[in-house]
Amino acid sequence: DVKVTQSSRYLVKRTGEKVFLECVQDMDHENMFWYRQDPGLGLRLIYFSYDVKMKEKGDIPEGYSVSREKKERFSLILESASTNQTSMYLCASSLRGGYSGNTIYFGEGSWLTVV
Amino acid sequence: GQQVMQIPQYQHVQEGEDFTTYCNSSTTLSNIQWYKQRPGGHPVFLIQLVKSGEVKKQKRLTFQFGEAKKNSSLHITATQTTDVGTYFCAPNFGNEKLTFGTGTRLTIIP
Repeated sequence: DVKVTQSSRYLVKRTGEKVFLECVQDMDHENMFWYRQDPGLGLRLIYFSYDVKMKEKGDIPEGYSVSREKKERFSLILESASTNQTSMYLCASSLRGGYSGNTIYFGEGSWLTVV
Repeated sequence: GQQVMQIPQYQHVQEGEDFTTYCNSSTTLSNIQWYKQRPGGHPVFLIQLVKSGEVKKQKRLTFQFGEAKKNSSLHITATQTTDVGTYFCAPNFGNEKLTFGTGTRLTIIP
């Protein structure tokens, strides 16, 4: 079974703190994704990566950055956390599929509260 | 931009009634996937549709992809309490970026 592991299930951070959310997958997937989920807004793509050291902006990249130094690990960074970044963050991975598409596998999610 | 609209946002049905959620795109899709997220859980892949006019069934679930590959639907016949959750479509516009519809949250009245 594919396993996508997010390092923290629940976090509480203060406004202005730097926050790291870590994600590791064990299936040698090329693609990795970070989404945030908010009520009524569905899943919104923040950033994705299709290879080591490669990254592409999603639909809502402002206030976030990412790092992919190794194929299995994709980190989401909030340089200076703000209260409007309180949300659930979902990491996901997939094989490269392009036009044909490929199943995305999600982690359990990280609930971040910024106070 | 490439966007998709998913409707309705919420649906409350009596147990045993049918349920349908729709996903509509303004541009042609290369394929579309559907996911289910149980309350408190993470989204889980249900199916992928690729061909124009494709219809696939999984027990009480029927998935359709429109002839123009711009819309898709998920229909559940005779809902059960285990169907509770949020259903998301995930349209693919022909690249690695995968975005999701806003989801339809299904609640069942026993």
